[in-house]
Amino acid sequence: DGGITQSPKYLFRKEGQNVTLSCEQNLNHDAMYWYRQDPGQGLRLIYYSQIVNDFQKGDIAEGYSVSREKKESFPLTVTSAQKNPTAFYLCASSIKGQGQSGANVLTFGAGSRLTVL
Amino acid sequence: AQSVAQPEDQVNVAEGNPLTVKCTYSVSGNPYLFWYVQYPNRGLQFLLKYITGDNLVKGSYGFEAEFNKSQTSFHLKKPSALVSDSALYFCAVRDTTADSWGKLQFGAGTQVVVTP
Repeated sequence: DGGITQSPKYLFRKEGQNVTLSCEQNLNHDAMYWYRQDPGQGLRLIYYSQIVNDFQKGDIAEGYSVSREKKESFPLTVTSAQKNPTAFYLCASSIKGQGQSGANVLTFGAGSRLTVL
Repeated sequence: AQSVAQPEDQVNVAEGNPLTVKCTYSVSGNPYLFWYVQYPNRGLQFLLKYITGDNLVKGSYGFEAEFNKSQTSFHLKKPSALVSDSALYFCAVRDTTADSWGKLQFGAGTQVVVTP
């Protein structure tokens, strides 16, 4: 079955450590996204990528980094510079397009819950 | 700039009764509007979207939404709620201008509780 796989599902981090969240998709989607979810705040966009080797900052990119070396993969690194990293992180993907075809539906992974100890 | 407001943190409804989840939006151009649902500790699932055309959009699991341009609203509705509809619902908007590509703005979410 096609879909998005996020790992790990749960992750604990000590202060000062970098951690990397994995996101892999087999949907042949061009675009991939990372969102952060906090209670009562909805989803906020961290980074997104339309094509391999290119990505753009979202609304809350500070303290995070990404790479897009393969179409299928879009890992997110939460660095020690992120002051409040405890959250639920969601990866998503979609087809790429402009106009009405650009009103693309996001397919989400099951999420990764990061807790800072 | 684009924004979405979901004025209710929680909606309580008895099984079999109509369900409405409210959403209002603000965009500089024309909107693309979406509804997603999230079950506990899971990712979001797409329910329906408005692009253009008929203001009443039908989606998955018996849900529908009505686009109202004058009121800048896109309320989600279901004629008869089920206990299994209990979940967190998100409204989202994207401006149709080219530089907004990829920037879907989500509301804070509305928790729906359907009681037997």
